[in-house]
Amino acid sequence: KNQVEQSPQSLIILEGKNCTLQCNYTVSPFSNLRWYKQDTGRGPVSLTIMTFSENTKSNGRYTATLDADTKQSSLHITASQLSDSASYICVVSDRGSTLGRLYFGRGTQLTVWP
Amino acid sequence: SAVISQKPSRDICQRGTSLTIQCQVDSQVTMMFWYRQQPGQSLTLIATANQGSEATYESGFVIDKFPISRPNLTFSTLTVSNMSPEDSSIYLCSVGTGQAPGELFFGEGSRLTVL
Repeated sequence: KNQVEQSPQSLIILEGKNCTLQCNYTVSPFSNLRWYKQDTGRGPVSLTIMTFSENTKSNGRYTATLDADTKQSSLHITASQLSDSASYICVVSDRGSTLGRLYFGRGTQLTVWP
Repeated sequence: SAVISQKPSRDICQRGTSLTIQCQVDSQVTMMFWYRQQPGQSLTLIATANQGSEATYESGFVIDKFPISRPNLTFSTLTVSNMSPEDSSIYLCSVGTGQAPGELFFGEGSRLTVL
C-alpha cells in the first residue's frame, strides 16, 4: 500500500534553533518528492521538489534530502524564525511526465517560540 | 507560478443546504483539482476538473454530492451538496503546470463549517 508517513507529528523549538523533519514513504514506482509549507488558514506552498536522481535541494534556510534507496526524506530548517511556524507536508508522486498520483503525508506541525 | 483565488474563504452553513466554491486562476492551466483537508488529516483528492467535460472523481466521491464545473481553462467551481457536519473541512483548489516533474499550486482554501 502506498503511504507517506511523517514524524514527528508536532514539534516545538526556540527561535534561532535548527530542526529536522522526517518523511518515510512506500510509494512505488517513485517519481518525485515534494515538501510544502502550509501556514494556518492558508494553502500549501511548495518548498522543494526532488526527483529520483537528486539527493539534496535547498531553498533558503530549508534543505531537503532524499534517500531513494531507503525511501526516506528529511527537511532541515536552519536558524528558525517565528514565521517558520506552520505545517510541513511531504508529498510523493508515483509518475513523471504529468503530476501522476500524489500521496500526501499528514504533516508535521512546527511551532517556533521566541 | 499561478495565482489562485478562492471564494468564499470561509462559511458557516446549515445542515441540508449546498454551497458553491469558486476557483479563479490568473492564467490558463491544463490541470485543475479539488482537494479536501479535514482536521489533522492529509489532503485528499476529490476530483480532477476537466475543461469542457465531466470531472473525474476519486473513489469515495460522487458527482451528486460534489458537482464540479469547469467552463474554461481559468475557472472552476465545486459544490458541496446536501451538507452534513461531516462535510466540515477545508476545500482547496489546485492547479498543475503539466511539465515534469509538475509544479502544483494551491489556493488559499475555503473553510466550511456545517452546523
